Amino acid sequence: DTEVTQTPKHLVMGMTNKKSLKCEQHMGHRAMYWYKQKAKKPPELMFVYSYEKLSINESVPSRFSPECPNSSLLNLHLHALQPEDSALYLCASSAGLHPGYTFGSGTRLTVV
Amino acid sequence: AQTVTQSQPEMSVQEAETVTLSCTYDTSESDYYLFWYKQPPSRQMILVIRQEAYKQQNATENRFSVNFQKAAKSFSLKISDSQLGDAAMYFCAYRSPPGNQFYFGTGTSLTVIP
Repeated sequence: DTEVTQTPKHLVMGMTNKKSLKCEQHMGHRAMYWYKQKAKKPPELMFVYSYEKLSINESVPSRFSPECPNSSLLNLHLHALQPEDSALYLCASSAGLHPGYTFGSGTRLTVV
Repeated sequence: AQTVTQSQPEMSVQEAETVTLSCTYDTSESDYYLFWYKQPPSRQMILVIRQEAYKQQNATENRFSVNFQKAAKSFSLKISDSQLGDAAMYFCAYRSPPGNQFYFGTGTSLTVIP
């Protein structure tokens, strides 16, 4: 299995909803990442889980919270989002010393 | 902080022709990695090619090759025999070990004209 699987592929949520995005990989990678990508822009790093240690981009609002239940699974919990949070959310993983990322196909989030 | 610059927001190429996408970067590190990622409308980021800074030889993957000029901090991507499936957004990216973060350029949107 050489894939990063993200679910759901599309999500529409209201500003008062709570939802979660899921990311899973079975490649034994010990680092996983959440990126936010607006249309025609590069991905922006939100969170990194590397060897069970969380690193946060300080500019990410607290309405986004990551969770790493185990080394294969990374969730992103969403609460009280704003319309400007509408974007493509990409998950990626890497094998520590290996320099490259494997990306998932993303979740297209729309906040209404 | 490292910066990656792609000065061509949009490019177009005739099918079967060759196109070169430009990328420059700024770093004080001597050991790092450079990447080109492709993002088609299907939205998944796909690794096209990777270059290790310590390697003098330019990386090649089938129709894709790079021109890596370390002193000039330049990393261009050449696509030969362009195909319709090459149409996508292309991102240049930099990563310096042992850090985890990628630094992405702003992207170049490539159109392939039949």
